[in-house]
Amino acid sequence: QVQLVQSGAEVKKPGASVKVSCKASGYTFTSYDINWVRQATGQGLEWMGWMNPNSGNTGYAQKFQGRVTMTRNTSISTAYMELSSLRSEDTAVYYCARGSLGAVAGTLIYYYYYYMDVWGKGTTVTVSS
Amino acid sequence: SSELTQDPAVSVALGQTVRITCQGDSLRSYYASWYQQKPGQAPVLVIYGKNNRPSGIPDRFSGSSSGNTASLTITGAQAEDEADYYCNSRDSSGNQVFGGGTKLTVL
Repeated sequence: QVQLVQSGAEVKKPGASVKVSCKASGYTFTSYDINWVRQATGQGLEWMGWMNPNSGNTGYAQKFQGRVTMTRNTSISTAYMELSSLRSEDTAVYYCARGSLGAVAGTLIYYYYYYMDVWGKGTTVTVSS
Repeated sequence: SSELTQDPAVSVALGQTVRITCQGDSLRSYYASWYQQKPGQAPVLVIYGKNNRPSGIPDRFSGSSSGNTASLTITGAQAEDEADYYCNSRDSSGNQVFGGGTKLTVL
């Protein structure tokens, strides 16, 4: 079945980096985007960025520019998210999610939509001294 | 960047209809997608596009949009619908944005 399997929990010290993996199975890895979304305890969902596994193109939320890097290894259908200069506020559950873009024809223009239909179970990253 | 605004909490009596709304400028150009999240679980897509439901999502879930407001309607809410609901949209720069989430309580 279609699924995304994430790597296990991490504990890091402030200033360190963490690299989370997301292995896709059950579909063609290069045909869909991979998004990364995080959620601190008791807080809402926060989008971090996306990657096109086919081209390697990426787009990052402004908040994470300069600190996050999203990469992939197509030979093993795996995406990676690396976050550097960790601080306590980065303690959260990190999710990868498969993304797709669609469009609906309107009267004069197309209306686009984007959706994330398959999610990993999440990776807990704890940043503590 | 753009923002999406949701009511923090909404309640509904069992079997009744509830509408959860999401407001934002990006919704004038992009349809929202909606995600349900239960405690300790990953989000689940429930509505996307104009009004599309992924396989396995009950037809009591529906979506609509008008101007800068997207709505998720649950017709005949069930106890298992109690969860947090998040709207999501894509802005003109290609970035995604989530609403702050709505906690739905089924009474």
